[in-house]
Amino acid sequence: EAQVTQNPRYLITVTGKKLTVTCSQNMNHEYMSWYRQDPGLGLRQIYYSMNVEVTDKGDVPEGYKVSRKEKRNFPLILESPSPNQTSLYFCATAPTRAYGYTFGSGTRLTVV
Amino acid sequence: GESVGLHLPTLSVQEGDNSIINCAYSNSASDYFIWYKQESGKGPQFIIDIRSNMDKRQGQRVTVLLNKTVKHLSLQIAATQPGDSAVYFCAENNAGGTSYGKLTFGQGTILTVHP
Repeated sequence: EAQVTQNPRYLITVTGKKLTVTCSQNMNHEYMSWYRQDPGLGLRQIYYSMNVEVTDKGDVPEGYKVSRKEKRNFPLILESPSPNQTSLYFCATAPTRAYGYTFGSGTRLTVV
Repeated sequence: GESVGLHLPTLSVQEGDNSIINCAYSNSASDYFIWYKQESGKGPQFIIDIRSNMDKRQGQRVTVLLNKTVKHLSLQIAATQPGDSAVYFCAENNAGGTSYGKLTFGQGTILTVHP
């Protein structure tokens, strides 16, 4: 079954404690991206990757890092989380940049 | 369920009615458009897409209309069912430009279908 898998689904953490949200896809998609979703602000792109070892900033990259060492995985790293990073995060993938995304189920992150 | 938006436009319809959800997009260079459906607690789900060389595209029970002159997109759902209740987002992409596949999402519309 084609899918985008995010883990964890829910996470509560404290300010400053490094965390990683994982994203894995089994569709051999080149393009992967991270979005955050906030009430009143909609879905905003954090980072994207067009292929292995190719990543770039989206609209709201501050406070986040990503890596793309393998095609199937695209982890989102928060080196020092802050309360303003409390949000609903989605990983999304596409065959190439000219197609729509398939989204994961989301990660609800709360930073206290 | 998780709230995806505050003060979003809302549309309430009766089961069996047709629904029309509208979206104004911002970038005249956008050449690819998608409608997504998001149910409570889930990620956005692809419904239908359309490229800028088309005005209309039909799927199963859904039709997307594109008016490039006024930068307007609409989603028509025929014979709306309670399972169609969700938040609907339009998204635009300049796939051939320098946006590198970034989808820019609208704020969304809440559709509620009453049995």
